[in-house]
Parts: sequence; structure tokens; C-alpha cells
Amino acid sequence: DAGVIQSPRHEVTEMGQEVTLRCKPISGHDYLFWYRQTMMRGLELLIYFNNNVPIDDSGMPEDRFSAKMPNASFSTLKIQPSEPRDSAVYFCASSLLGGRSYNEQFFGPGTRLTVL
Amino acid sequence: AQSVTQPDIHITVSEGASLELRCNYSYGATPYLFWYVQSPGQGLQLLLKYFSGDTLVQGIKGFEAEFKRSQSSFNLRKPSVHWSDAAEYFCAVGGSGNTGKLIFGQGTTLQVKP
Repeated sequence: DAGVIQSPRHEVTEMGQEVTLRCKPISGHDYLFWYRQTMMRGLELLIYFNNNVPIDDSGMPEDRFSAKMPNASFSTLKIQPSEPRDSAVYFCASSLLGGRSYNEQFFGPGTRLTVL
Repeated sequence: AQSVTQPDIHITVSEGASLELRCNYSYGATPYLFWYVQSPGQGLQLLLKYFSGDTLVQGIKGFEAEFKRSQSSFNLRKPSVHWSDAAEYFCAVGGSGNTGKLIFGQGTTLQVKP
């Protein structure tokens, strides 16, 4: 298995532009998580999905952020409009509830976003 | 409330010395416990996990951790640290009956002196 795939790996954009981050989870996993990591705030859970349905989006910082999971193999995190304070590394992770994995989350390599 | 505390934000050890990173958790049900490592510029990689049975678990890269229910702790250890172990380490807790979500600690950054 290729693991969790994220694209792009790096994104540099200007304030006010729309940014879309993409994630392909591990095949067969039923949970997908979006995290944000910054030096100041550490690792924050933004939103997570179960079987493509959003379960908890309480970590989404504001309405400028939105996430979708149209099918089991693809998810997007969109920021519109972007602001410099959105600069961070965004991680996607997936997991399979129950079984021998015991909720272990598998992380992608992350997308480093810089908003100028 | 569910929480994970890693009391040490930053630790420095000499290469070859032993290492112990502390993790304390609060969780209402049977906990599943994890240690992840993040090397600079990388994603989080699982080092080891505990879900039941033997309270001393072995992981990759020579790491081990011991679950102590009475102390609500899951400390990570390594007998001899290598320079390549310099990274950030995260403890996390989840559990049976939950929704798949893990609660992460704030992380401990390990620096290794030559």
C-alpha cells in the first residue's frame, strides 16, 4: 500500500487566494482526519470523517475553512480566502476502527502551506 | 475529560545515554495508547502501541513503553539514544467504543548531543 497520499507537498500562495489541499486515504480505512501543525499551537485536529460523513468539525478555525469527502478515496480541505495566519503544515491521516489496528492513525507526509 | 499530558516540552540527552519521555493520560474507558515520532519535515510515524496484555510493549527503532494503569502513565524509553533519534515525540490515547479519534499530547522535542 502506498500509504496516505497528500498533494501538493508545498503550496505558496498570496493572501486572499483560494487554496485546496488533497488527501487520498489508505484503501479500506473508514476514518479520515485533517490536522494542522504550527509552532505556536502544535498539532490541532480540524475535522474528521467516518465513512465519508463529517463527524466533528469543531476544530475548523472559521468559515473560511471547509472540507469534503465525496468518496472513500478522496478528501479536500479548502481555505477561501487564505490569510497569512493560515500558514502551517496540514496533515491528513486515516484509520480503521476496530480490528487489530486499535484505531492507529496513519499519517500522510503533510502539505506545507505558506500564505504571503 | 480526555487528555494527554507530556510534561517535558524539550529534552536534551547525550548520544549513548538512556532516555525516558513521560506521558500521562486521562481517559474514561479502556485506553489504547500510542507513541508517534516526527522527524523534521516528515509526517508522524507510529513507534508503538498498547491495547491490552503485557504492559511492556516493544516498538520500532529500539523503543519500548510501559503502561501503568495506577499512575495513568505510558512512558517511552530507550536504553541508548542515537543521534538519529532527534525528533519530536507525541503520545496519544484512544479507546474501545470511541469514534476513532485520538487525543494527542503537545509533544516532546528530543535533542541529542554528540
